[in-house]
Amino acid sequence: GAGVSQSPSNKVTEKGKDVELRCDPISGHTALYWYRQSLGQGLEFLIYFQGNSAPDKSGLPSDRFSAERTGGSVSTLTIQRTQQEDSAVYLCASSLPRLAGGRSYNEQFFGPGTRLTVL
Amino acid sequence: RKEVEQDPGPFNVPEGATVAFNCTYSNSASQSFFWYRQDCRKEPKLLMSVYSSGNEDGRFTAQLNRASQYISLLIRDSKLSDSATYLCVVITRDYKLSFGAGTTVTVRA
Repeated sequence: GAGVSQSPSNKVTEKGKDVELRCDPISGHTALYWYRQSLGQGLEFLIYFQGNSAPDKSGLPSDRFSAERTGGSVSTLTIQRTQQEDSAVYLCASSLPRLAGGRSYNEQFFGPGTRLTVL
Repeated sequence: RKEVEQDPGPFNVPEGATVAFNCTYSNSASQSFFWYRQDCRKEPKLLMSVYSSGNEDGRFTAQLNRASQYISLLIRDSKLSDSATYLCVVITRDYKLSFGAGTTVTVRA
């Protein structure tokens, strides 16, 4: 079946320009996460959408970053006035959090990422 | 203090060796624990969940120590294909995830 897809796979932009990154989660997954990973670093949580609840934006590094999730499916991460330190791989993941047999399950399925380079 | 901390390694081991490493977490309300594997320039993929009683999946054994707030991963009979970065993931009750920075394992022939 189709996994999580992201577009574009690579984006090179000039400092100060705005960029939009897109994520198509797995159909039926209620949770969607955005992370970024700088070279050689771990994953940095950015934002989390769960169903119709207000998103958890606690990881967004500045007000230049925003994200939307339309119709509980596709999500767009927007970075305004990009800076060189925004260069990273932006990963999207979706999941279907649930409880079963007394255990909670929240396996993250990751997209291939968008490699953003800000010149 | 970071919510999840891992020894970055690298752990360089010969084929057939056993390698083990830990991950500590700071939030005592953490509910679920996972190990993910990330190959170079690839997205992370779930390796295994970590259950309170400990669990095995083939050559991989995961343990959880709630009292000391750490999880561990042990790889037996290492294969070249086990070379990767292993990410520890901790989830709180509100489904917020925290990732460790990863432990790099390199298995040499």
